[in-house]
Amino acid sequence: GAGVSQSPSNKVTEKGKDVELRCDPISGHTALYWYRQSLGQGLEFLIYFQGNSAPDKSGLPSDRFSAERTGGSVSTLTIQRTQQEDSAVYLCASSSWGRDTRNEQFFGPGTRLTVL
Amino acid sequence: GIQVEQSPPDLILQEGANSTLRCNFSDSVNNLQWFHQNPWGQLINLFYIPSGTKQNGRLSATTVATERYSLLYISSSQTTDSGVYFCAVVMTTDSWGKFQFGAGTQVVVTP
Repeated sequence: GAGVSQSPSNKVTEKGKDVELRCDPISGHTALYWYRQSLGQGLEFLIYFQGNSAPDKSGLPSDRFSAERTGGSVSTLTIQRTQQEDSAVYLCASSSWGRDTRNEQFFGPGTRLTVL
Repeated sequence: GIQVEQSPPDLILQEGANSTLRCNFSDSVNNLQWFHQNPWGQLINLFYIPSGTKQNGRLSATTVATERYSLLYISSSQTTDSGVYFCAVVMTTDSWGKFQFGAGTQVVVTP
């Protein structure tokens, strides 16, 4: 596609439920990133993928959070047993990453998650 | 401690004014980007600038990697420049894709 897309744009869930957030990167981009942005705050790194591998998962806040990427394209961020503190905007970015290309990220519009 | 620090945290400008935003980082970096987050939340790329100087219209940026800072200049500001400006870096001590964002500078441009 022309840009990074994310779905859903808004998600309201009840505490304790599981949610899945989806990210479609820019076509051909090999790297994909997930961030969380709480209200009025900066972006918090969660995880990134190079291809289907996740070299750095250090930003995932707890074992309730997981992410996968298949086919080197779409990625899903899953939050199990959601808590109210998980409420935030979840942002995805992608970049074309190679030896001779610069690692410049482009962001999607985000998914606003509200946990009641 | 804080690894990416942005200043000032808030900035109010009258339309037509110039301003400078600063990003300090605690270690050497191999990647630095500036973004503008508009009032609708979309992050827009401004500059990819791990070193050197670039200009794009009324915006320009300079990164002095050896002194661990980057500056974003806004000239002749317009109301559409309002929003939050973030710098994001990848430290050389971190994995290649681990971007760290500063807390941002909230800019309000008044007519």
